Amino acid sequence: DAKTTQPPSMDCAEGRAANLPCNHSTISGNEYVYWYRQIHSQGPQYIIHGLKNNETNEMASLIITEDRKSSTLILPHATLRDTAVYYCIVRVSFISSGSARQLTFGSGTQLTVLP
Amino acid sequence: GAVVSQHPSWVICKSGTSVKIECRSLDFQATTMFWYRQFPKQSLMLMATSNEGSKATYEQGVEKDKFLINHASLTLSTLTVTSAHPEDSSFYICSASPGTGGGWTEAFFGQGTRLTVV
Repeated sequence: DAKTTQPPSMDCAEGRAANLPCNHSTISGNEYVYWYRQIHSQGPQYIIHGLKNNETNEMASLIITEDRKSSTLILPHATLRDTAVYYCIVRVSFISSGSARQLTFGSGTQLTVLP
Repeated sequence: GAVVSQHPSWVICKSGTSVKIECRSLDFQATTMFWYRQFPKQSLMLMATSNEGSKATYEQGVEKDKFLINHASLTLSTLTVTSAHPEDSSFYICSASPGTGGGWTEAFFGQGTRLTVV
């Protein structure tokens, strides 16, 4: 799996958009970008994933650069409950990986939403 | 999304005793489950892969005789920490992913188990 680089911490004002960057310059053509978050003392929660097109769901938007070497997770209106560690993970899709569905977590970004 | 449940959420045990942690997939079958460990202020580290009906596979440096894994059914995997010591105190998290037939494309995690060995 390709290595990712994320800033260790970020702050965001409540109600504002939170933009979390991730660099993955060695990503392979068949690897997806996955985002998970972990609220303190809980298990990780899936947020979103994408291959090359921008993606949006009820939680967030994922913007992937055209060269796919970096991406940005956007939480459009951050709330205090969005305070968590956000992990950007690059790997082949779960569909193509058979039973190899483990995830390799980096150090992530601690997002703190401020009131 | 699919639900993975862990039990207990937290446990305190005496040094030298054994502790069992359960991981259940509530609305799907999982032939493979994964166990992670997370020490304070660190990231999740994969410990082992639990395979239904066969032996678990362990990551390098994880003692298989200390961390016993049983995956006796398609919805339940258990992790037993044997002869626990204070250095085993950690946050243990399991993960599972539905098969491709259901169209799921991500992994789901349990809520984690905080183990404290005193």
